[in-house]
Amino acid sequence: DIQMTQSPLSVSASLGDTVTITCRASQGINIWVGWYQQKPGKAPALLIYGASNLRTGVPSRFSGSGSGTDFTLTISGLQPEDFATYYCQEADSFPYTFGQGTKLE
Amino acid sequence: EVQLVESGGGLNQPGGSLRLSCAASGLTVSSNYMSWVRQAPGKGLEWISVIYIDGSTYYADSVKGRFTISRDNSNNTLFLQMNKLRVEDTAVYYCARGLAENDYWGQGSLVTVSS
Repeated sequence: DIQMTQSPLSVSASLGDTVTITCRASQGINIWVGWYQQKPGKAPALLIYGASNLRTGVPSRFSGSGSGTDFTLTISGLQPEDFATYYCQEADSFPYTFGQGTKLE
Repeated sequence: EVQLVESGGGLNQPGGSLRLSCAASGLTVSSNYMSWVRQAPGKGLEWISVIYIDGSTYYADSVKGRFTISRDNSNNTLFLQMNKLRVEDTAVYYCARGLAENDYWGQGSLVTVSS
């Protein structure tokens, strides 16, 4: 199984800051990574698919990059609604493993 | 507007069975890959099963042989039959559209397995 290692597991930031979260796959997965945002008590919401494609309706301050084994999610100009937990997910093969999650506070 | 609404969760004893339902509107279950993902209390996300458009099904090792994914095309509903429940199956269960990179999710259904 492919392992997805996220870092950091928590990050403190302030409004207007730029935050970068990384995800490393245990083997090459081309561009098959998605990024989600999850708020307490809510289902995850897809932000990015195919490593860098912004889902329709997601603010442009969110961006994704990477290919192969190393991927990043960047949030530029933090807004109050961005404080949440973020997960990466490999979309290359079963069992579509998620990263451990990064809590942004 | 796409809506996925799970139901059927609750408290169950180890070794018991439970069936979750996911009623869909705004999308056709049989025309989409549909998945189940779970989240144990305070933990991360775990993909557990998918049903393909052609009806093929796949499972995570943690539930293989115990859980069965299925769908009712006439009622546009996805199911997860959970047998031989274990304490470690305690989680919020989400249905979602897609294999991975899931764009639509239900609100979740809490399953608690405890004696």
